[in-house]
Amino acid sequence: QKEVEQNSGPLSVPEGAIASLNCTYSDRVSQSFFWYRQYSGKSPELIMSIYSNGDKEDGRFTAQLNKASQYVSLLIRDSQPSDSATYLCAAPYSSASKIIFGSGTRLSIRP
Amino acid sequence: DAMVIQNPRYQVTQFGKPVTLSCSQTLNHNVMYWYQQKSSQAPKLLFHYYDKDFNNEADTPDNFQSRRPNTSFCFLDIRSPGLGDAAMYLCATGGGLGEKLFFGSGTQLSVL
Repeated sequence: QKEVEQNSGPLSVPEGAIASLNCTYSDRVSQSFFWYRQYSGKSPELIMSIYSNGDKEDGRFTAQLNKASQYVSLLIRDSQPSDSATYLCAAPYSSASKIIFGSGTRLSIRP
Repeated sequence: DAMVIQNPRYQVTQFGKPVTLSCSQTLNHNVMYWYQQKSSQAPKLLFHYYDKDFNNEADTPDNFQSRRPNTSFCFLDIRSPGLGDAAMYLCATGGGLGEKLFFGSGTQLSVL
């Protein structure tokens, strides 16, 4: 099992709809989780971080964490064409000594 | 106000010719990371430093080395680049272990 797993997509969502991105992780002791957005040819930029079970909202973005299921998700409401990018899930691994990334989900927002 | 700066943005080298990529930060972060990212793949961790403590991933090729002479600077040396080393190299910093990462703009390496 990979440390951090994501569905690679592509995920196509109509403009204005909700995009749902999912991620699972293998290290039960992980305490922090991150969602990064990466445009083609650019470096990742942090969208959300979440540390506690439940939901965390920031504007159009909501991160959800379920530590019992080792599952973290990102919801994007009112999807815009500018949201079209690859979304990377990341988590510490091996006693927080390093941050490991999932392979990313490519999201496409169609007008 | 760039906080993590990578130079150069694009680097072209010849097969087997040593190359050095540089990274500097103004955040005074303890942790610095080097990731390699190939097209449509996840960033792959090569090394990380916690202060001066160096951590090498088990599957990082010996061809890759790193230096961190002080808190602000970190270098990635590729001793004999092969065609398979063509990738985006990302430098990132973190305030502590397991904390969110701040990325530089990356260096796109081409090997001819």
